Amino acid sequence: GQNIDQPTEMTATEGAIVQINCTYQTSGFNGLFWYQQHAGEAPTFLSYNVLDGLEEKGRFSSFLSRSKGYSYLLLKELQMKDSASYLCAVRGEDSNYQLIWGAGTKLIIKP
Amino acid sequence: SQTIHQWPATLVQPVGSPLSLECTVEGTSNPNLYWYRQAAGRGLQLLFYSVGIGQISSEVPQNLSASRPQDRQFILSSKKLLLSDSGFYLCAFDAAGSQPQHFGDGTRLSIL
Repeated sequence: GQNIDQPTEMTATEGAIVQINCTYQTSGFNGLFWYQQHAGEAPTFLSYNVLDGLEEKGRFSSFLSRSKGYSYLLLKELQMKDSASYLCAVRGEDSNYQLIWGAGTKLIIKP
Repeated sequence: SQTIHQWPATLVQPVGSPLSLECTVEGTSNPNLYWYRQAAGRGLQLLFYSVGIGQISSEVPQNLSASRPQDRQFILSSKKLLLSDSGFYLCAFDAAGSQPQHFGDGTRLSIL
């Protein structure tokens, strides 16, 4: 079957760095996406990885290892507004390019 | 620019009543369109997707249906709502195979 695993919840301190891991087992691979979702709101797109390596976007970076079926989202200089759920999603080898979604990691930032 | 509009933002309906949620996309042609449901504290469950006008694929058998009467319009419907239909409904689109999905603001549906 197809599966994506993320930790359910993480806690970090304002100003610190946190790494949110995502492992996946899917039928083929056509890219991995990270989304941020604040409570009661829709998910917003953060990053996209299709090749191995690190993609950096300001305070957020995302890493992918296709051979290990593994990705992480790295958040630096944490701010209180980063408190949200972070969703990992994989596009498998499907002709209609559907996404397989993880359940999300709830990140709690403490002052 | 590409935008997606979804309404209403919140909806309270009695059990057994009908439902119609609408979603429209602007700034792109022939998008892939998706309806998701998210239960509280849970991940996204894909309900329907469409790759073109009149083309609807259902992922989960249930009392909901979807239609795509125009290229950039996607409608989620039900003839008779159940208590289990409560949740956060999200419409999304992507413009091409490698592009990310972008979401509407969502509709919070409560069934009484």
